[in-house]
Amino acid sequence: TQLLEQSPQFLSIQEGENLTVYCNSSSVFSSLQWYRQEPGEGPVLLVTVVTGGEVKKLKRLTFQFGDARKDSSLHITAAQPGDTGLYLCAVSGGSNYKLTFGKGTLLTVNP
Amino acid sequence: GAGVSQSPSNKVTEKGKDVELRCDPISGHTALYWYRQSLGQGLEFLIYFQGNSAPDKSGLPSDRFSAERTGGSVSTLTIQRTQQEDSAVYLCASSQNPGEKLFFGSGTQLSVL
Repeated sequence: TQLLEQSPQFLSIQEGENLTVYCNSSSVFSSLQWYRQEPGEGPVLLVTVVTGGEVKKLKRLTFQFGDARKDSSLHITAAQPGDTGLYLCAVSGGSNYKLTFGKGTLLTVNP
Repeated sequence: GAGVSQSPSNKVTEKGKDVELRCDPISGHTALYWYRQSLGQGLEFLIYFQGNSAPDKSGLPSDRFSAERTGGSVSTLTIQRTQQEDSAVYLCASSQNPGEKLFFGSGTQLSVL
């Protein structure tokens, strides 16, 4: 059983559409991170959420941490082809350095 | 350098051969991590180095895997007697201190034939 379940696994949309991807767990976390990974590159940290109910915005990206700190969502408004990539959520379980990642959502935004 | 550098970017080897993967972390970063990313799987933690402390090797999948970090800087991940299931992208990351933002390299794509 995966600690973090990400959905959907794949998402293909047209430029200009809105989308939401999810990261769910049955465990409670002190914080959760979202990364974007482009082909041939390593993941890049987008945001860290730490407070239940917290909402953070990064340009057209809106991140929310669930009230119970068990889940998170990423909403993209008016998606652009540059948003294409693998979106990963990650948590540190038990230690402050060892991250556990979900399998990710592979997003393709078509022009 | 400006970022985490990994070499080679691609490595094709035959089953049974040994391979060495190199990671140059960001200068001044005390923490260094190795992760493995296989098709259909998330990133899997392999090993963690912090300063002069003993490394956390709890993620290494078998005794064919080993890693070292010389002088608190460059790290080498060695896989002995490679198997086809070792085929994956091996990612290195560093952070200034434990628990702080991770900066990943572009990875080494390892293919074992």
